[in-house]
Amino acid sequence: DTEVTQTPKHLVMGMTNKKSLKCEQHMGHRAMYWYKQKAKKPPELMFVYSYEKLSINESVPSRFSPECPNSSLLNLHLHALQPEDSALYLCASSQDLTWGATNQPQHFGDGTRLSIL
Amino acid sequence: AQSVTQLDSQVPVFEEAPVELRCNYSSSVSVYLFWYVQYPNQGLQLLLKYLSGSTLVKGINGFEAEFNKSQTSFHLRKPSVHISDTAEYFCAVSDTGYSTLTFGKGTMLLVSP
Repeated sequence: DTEVTQTPKHLVMGMTNKKSLKCEQHMGHRAMYWYKQKAKKPPELMFVYSYEKLSINESVPSRFSPECPNSSLLNLHLHALQPEDSALYLCASSQDLTWGATNQPQHFGDGTRLSIL
Repeated sequence: AQSVTQLDSQVPVFEEAPVELRCNYSSSVSVYLFWYVQYPNQGLQLLLKYLSGSTLVKGINGFEAEFNKSQTSFHLRKPSVHISDTAEYFCAVSDTGYSTLTFGKGTMLLVSP
């Protein structure tokens, strides 16, 4: 069982649509991450939230808008996406953005497979 | 900054044979090292990690890896693979400060009967 839950599992949208991806964890983790993964490629980091504040934005286009309403939830709002944005979007969480005494690495969800028509 | 090199994009092997997936890293600072596995249509699952201590690390599903600082390597091994081990394997590195990960390009392990 994955401890990071992502919804929906699949999403098909047009280039003019607005949709949101959701991620939830109940492990008490304070760092949450969005990754984009194209087929046959490694995950690419997009955003990192630490204690509900945006800490890292890897120069992601503004058509992707992250939001962290509370410590358990992470959203990714999508608007005016392009066909090249079709990918698997993975959410992950970890105890903290900095390594500490517990030293546990990131837990990943199963992702949302996004297709842009 | 760190980088990870997985030289083999694909490794075919027969069931019950041993396998080694290679990983080399580059970093100017101390690092933590990880192997993740990704089955089709799933997210990444942690196989094992090296943070400190013994350089031989045992993980889930019978996998193990050895940290070699002089050769900057962290190769993954399994003495006898199963069909169910067919998946993509990613080596990843993190510095000892922030827990962000840098991934290698991945190695597809293909196990056939």
